[in-house]
Amino acid sequence: RKEVEQDPGPFNVPEGATVAFNCTYSNSASQSFFWYRQDCRKEPKLLMSVYSSGNEDGRFTAQLNRASQYISLLIRDSKLSDSATYLCVVRPSGTYKYIFGTGTRLKVLA
Amino acid sequence: EAGVVQSPRYKIIEKKQPVAFWCNPISGHNTLYWYRQNLGQGPELLIRYENEEAVDDSQLPKDRFSAERLKGVDSTLKIQPAELGDSAVYLCASSSPGQLLNTEAFFGQGTRLTVV
Repeated sequence: RKEVEQDPGPFNVPEGATVAFNCTYSNSASQSFFWYRQDCRKEPKLLMSVYSSGNEDGRFTAQLNRASQYISLLIRDSKLSDSATYLCVVRPSGTYKYIFGTGTRLKVLA
Repeated sequence: EAGVVQSPRYKIIEKKQPVAFWCNPISGHNTLYWYRQNLGQGPELLIRYENEEAVDDSQLPKDRFSAERLKGVDSTLKIQPAELGDSAVYLCASSSPGQLLNTEAFFGQGTRLTVV
């Protein structure tokens, strides 16, 4: 079993739609959680960190469920520019090792 | 402020040839990472440095891969000899430990290696 698992998609959604991605992790000692965005042929860039109480940044909302060991990303009012791969990232407690999921591809259609 | 700088951006080599990648992390970042990303996959850690010490190289194929980070700043990753399966994007990242729980890793643009 992979340490971080995501549905690879692709998710094809119309503009304006709401879309949600989930990610599960196997290490219960994981401490820090992130969503990174990766555009085609570009490097990953931080989209947002995920806090225990959940957090929101504009149209993006991240949630953490430690009991079930999953995190989620919700995108509201999707834009064409949201088309990208979204990578779930977990960092175990006591380390600076970032473990990536395979990524979920999103394509927002006009 | 300059980000993580990698070179070259692209490299095409024949199998069995050697190849080297170079990375300059963000100034002041003690932790440096080399990741490999295959098509359609997420980045996979090859090696992690804390200053000049390799603290996690469990995923580095040591029969053909080597890395160094002299003086705890720049780093090089070498493959010798390269195999067809080594074709991938090699990403360098750096982070600053600090005291922040949610310290992020910053990535360079990567080196796209094609072995023919």
